[in-house]
Amino acid sequence: SQTIHQWPATLVQPVGSPLSLECTVEGTSNPNLYWYRQAAGRGLQLLFYSVGIGQISSEVPQNLSASRPQDRQFILSSKKLLLSDSGFYLCAWTGWGDYGYTFGSGTRLTVV
Amino acid sequence: GIQVEQSPPDLILQEGANSTLRCNFSDSVNNLQWFHQNPWGQLINLFYIPSGTKQNGRLSATTVATERYSLLYISSSQTTDSGVYFCAAFSTLGSARQLTFGSGTQLTVLP
Repeated sequence: SQTIHQWPATLVQPVGSPLSLECTVEGTSNPNLYWYRQAAGRGLQLLFYSVGIGQISSEVPQNLSASRPQDRQFILSSKKLLLSDSGFYLCAWTGWGDYGYTFGSGTRLTVV
Repeated sequence: GIQVEQSPPDLILQEGANSTLRCNFSDSVNNLQWFHQNPWGQLINLFYIPSGTKQNGRLSATTVATERYSLLYISSSQTTDSGVYFCAAFSTLGSARQLTFGSGTQLTVLP
């Protein structure tokens, strides 16, 4: 069966420090991968998606970047964190065809 | 763009009660998914339901695509049902599929 792993679960980082969040999927090949952010409150916003290795599309201009160095690995990064980068970051995957989303357990990032 | 509206925004129930959550969505939506976000933040898939009715235990969902709405039914609610329920609509995003989320229904089930 397919599983998605996301780490770390929580992170407290000072302003100006770098960021690296990792997401991996097991049990499937060539998944579509996504990064979403949930700010305080309920809204979830799509940040990046990838349909293959090295293919990254950005939905919202921001201080973040994403990379997909391997088929089932998706990384969210920042060179210098801002206070506004605080939030709950969720990785997700879908298969090709008519499939729903499966989300990872999320990373709660607090920038101080 | 895609519009997804959920109602009610907040719902407080006594344990054992039934409830209905509603999701209205705009044109160009080609599929729908319901999630439960638990107190730890994890989004749990409840139903992937483009049309028709599906049931899973005490939960069921119905989507009427022609009228652009979906309903989530929770029967005999339990305290563990508490959390935020999201409806999310699919749309094509290049070769991928984007989810646009509603603002959620915060459900509190009291013992």
